[in-house]
Amino acid sequence: DAGITQSPRYKITETGRQVTLMCHQTWSHSYMFWYRQDLGHGLRLIYYSAAADITDKGEVPDGYVVSRSKTENFPLTLESATRSQTSVYFCASSVGATNEKLFFGSGTQLSVL
Amino acid sequence: AQKVTQAQTEISVVEKEDVTLDCVYETRDTTYYLFWYKQPPSGELVFLIRRNSFDEQNEISGRYSWNFQKSTSSFNFTITASQVVDSAVYFCALSEADNAGNMLTFGGGTRLMVKP
Repeated sequence: DAGITQSPRYKITETGRQVTLMCHQTWSHSYMFWYRQDLGHGLRLIYYSAAADITDKGEVPDGYVVSRSKTENFPLTLESATRSQTSVYFCASSVGATNEKLFFGSGTQLSVL
Repeated sequence: AQKVTQAQTEISVVEKEDVTLDCVYETRDTTYYLFWYKQPPSGELVFLIRRNSFDEQNEISGRYSWNFQKSTSSFNFTITASQVVDSAVYFCALSEADNAGNMLTFGGGTRLMVKP
């Protein structure tokens, strides 16, 4: 029962570089999400996807790009990383539509120098 | 707009003490869902409970209990006889029923430290 796998677990990059965070789930859940966790802000939604090839913006989408060509994968790309994107990123999935409980990955700690 | 406030950023207790984590929410919807998640030191968030706005019955699960009061817009979480393994960051979250993408709004979290 692999659940949700995020990679890498830790990443250090430089300002201006492109970075892709990977997320893979084995449950075939329809919905997938990307959150960032920052002190004092809790978790904030970056992007979500209701199904393959369907994505939509969350609360803080600027500077991020997502894709979902397959149900099980939901990569998050920072096209030109900035220091303000230093954060812990969590991928999550849920079985159905609104208000279902979320299953979270272990997170990716990203530092942008 | 929906909002969740966890005023206690950090709580420290000694093992076996009872502790209550506060959660106050704001929403204009009449139908909504409230959640609690636990984030242990390993980092992964774990679902604890979900309640809908029409069910104000308090819930107990072992040492955990939840007090939902619509009159005060609160959904507080109590741990009875706390243990060191309860040390974690706890998040309260809110989702409005008609939001398009299961958009959970999280509170800032409360870090609970249980000392032996």
